[in-house]
Amino acid sequence: NAGVTQTPKFQVLKTGQSMTLQCAQDMNHEYMSWYRQDPGMGLRLIHYSVGAGITDQGEVPNGYNVSRSTTEDFPLRLLSAAPSQTSVYFCASREPNTGELFFGEGSRLTVL
Amino acid sequence: KNQVEQSPQSLIILEGKNCTLQCNYTVSPFSNLRWYKQDTGRGPVSLTIMTFSENTKSNGRYTATLDADTKQSSLHITASQLSDSASYICVVSAESGGGADGLTFGKGTHLIIQP
Repeated sequence: NAGVTQTPKFQVLKTGQSMTLQCAQDMNHEYMSWYRQDPGMGLRLIHYSVGAGITDQGEVPNGYNVSRSTTEDFPLRLLSAAPSQTSVYFCASREPNTGELFFGEGSRLTVL
Repeated sequence: KNQVEQSPQSLIILEGKNCTLQCNYTVSPFSNLRWYKQDTGRGPVSLTIMTFSENTKSNGRYTATLDADTKQSSLHITASQLSDSASYICVVSAESGGGADGLTFGKGTHLIIQP
C-alpha cells in the first residue's frame, strides 16, 4: 500500500519557469490537499479538493493552479515560478471517517 | 480567528528524560485535536486524536491530554529515545469554518534528543 506519492522529491527552477508537482494516492480518499511548509510558518494550505472535478482555494493560493480529474491524482502547477515559492510542498489525503491526514514525503522546490 | 499556538518552539533534552509539549487553541466549534510527528525530511504522521469527551489517550510512550474547558492539550513523551527527535504539530479541526478545509495548524515544536 503506497499511500500518498509525490514527485519529484527535489526540483530547482529559474524564475519564470513552470512546472507541475505530482501527487497520487491509492486509498480512494475523496479529499486531497496541498500545503507548503516554510521555516517558522508551519504548514499552510494552498488548494484542496473534496472530490473529482471540485477544487477550492486555501490560505495561500496565489501563483498556484490545481485540477482534479480523477480521485487518485491531484497535481499542483506553478505557471511562472518566483523565488517566494521556494519551499517544501506536501500533498495529503484525508480519511473520511477519522479525518486523519496522510501526507506524502514532500517535494523540495528551489526557485533561483 | 481560529488559532493554534504551540510551545515551546524548540526543546533539547537528554535521552531517557521525559518532556511535555503544549498546544493552546481558540478553534470553535471544536471537533477534534490531533498530534502529528514529522521526522526530518519526511511528511507528518498522526500520533493520536483527541475528541471533546476524551481527557487522556496513550500511544506507547506518548500520552496526550485534552482540557476542553481551557482549550489546552499536551503531549507527554516518557523515557525519550533518539528516534523521538522530530517536529510535533498540533492540528485542530472545527465542526465548520476554521481554515478553508476546517483545519487549523500549529507551527510545531522542534524536539531534539541528545545522547
